[in-house]
Amino acid sequence: DIQMTQSPASLSASLGETVTIECLASEDIYDILAWYQQKPGKSPQLLIYDASSLHTGVPSRFSGSGSGTQYSLKINSLQPEDFASYYCQNGLSAPLTFGSGTKLEIK
Amino acid sequence: EVQLQQYGAELGKPGTSVKLSCKVSGYNIRSTYMHWVNQRPGKGLEWIGRIDPANGNTIYAEKFKSKATLTADTSSNTAYMQLSQLKSDDTAIYFCAMGRYYFDYWGQGVMVTVSS
Repeated sequence: DIQMTQSPASLSASLGETVTIECLASEDIYDILAWYQQKPGKSPQLLIYDASSLHTGVPSRFSGSGSGTQYSLKINSLQPEDFASYYCQNGLSAPLTFGSGTKLEIK
Repeated sequence: EVQLQQYGAELGKPGTSVKLSCKVSGYNIRSTYMHWVNQRPGKGLEWIGRIDPANGNTIYAEKFKSKATLTADTSSNTAYMQLSQLKSDDTAIYFCAMGRYYFDYWGQGVMVTVSS
């Protein structure tokens, strides 16, 4: 199984700041990676797929990058609605594994 | 507009089974995979498995192979998951989701509580 190691587990930031979340795969996943945002009491929502492609309707302040085993999600100019939990996901092979999540909180 | 509708909350006694449904509108499920994901209280996301509704082929995460059974009815555009031999550890929110390699659309989730 491909393990996804996500960091940090939690992150405190202020409105307008830029933050980066990292995800490390246990083997090369050839950019078959997605990022999701989940708000309390809601289902996750797809943000980024294929490591760097923005899903329909997702604001351009979100961006994804990386290759091989190392990937990152960057959020520019944090808005109030961005404070949520974020997960990376391996889409290369089953089982489709998730990172353990990053909780982004307001400082 | 694509929508995945999951109904109600479930309360199951230990040792029994529950069957969850996920009705899709706005997209033909024969053209995609239907996945199930769980989230235990305060924890992260865990993939259970997926079904290809076009042919019924399934893949399960190892730990769910004897716990979950995935089926789909293309005539009603609905996916199902049966959870058997319920234990307290199965208490979680269960989401259905749609997509090939990623989860493009999600249901709102169903809370399953296992308690005697």
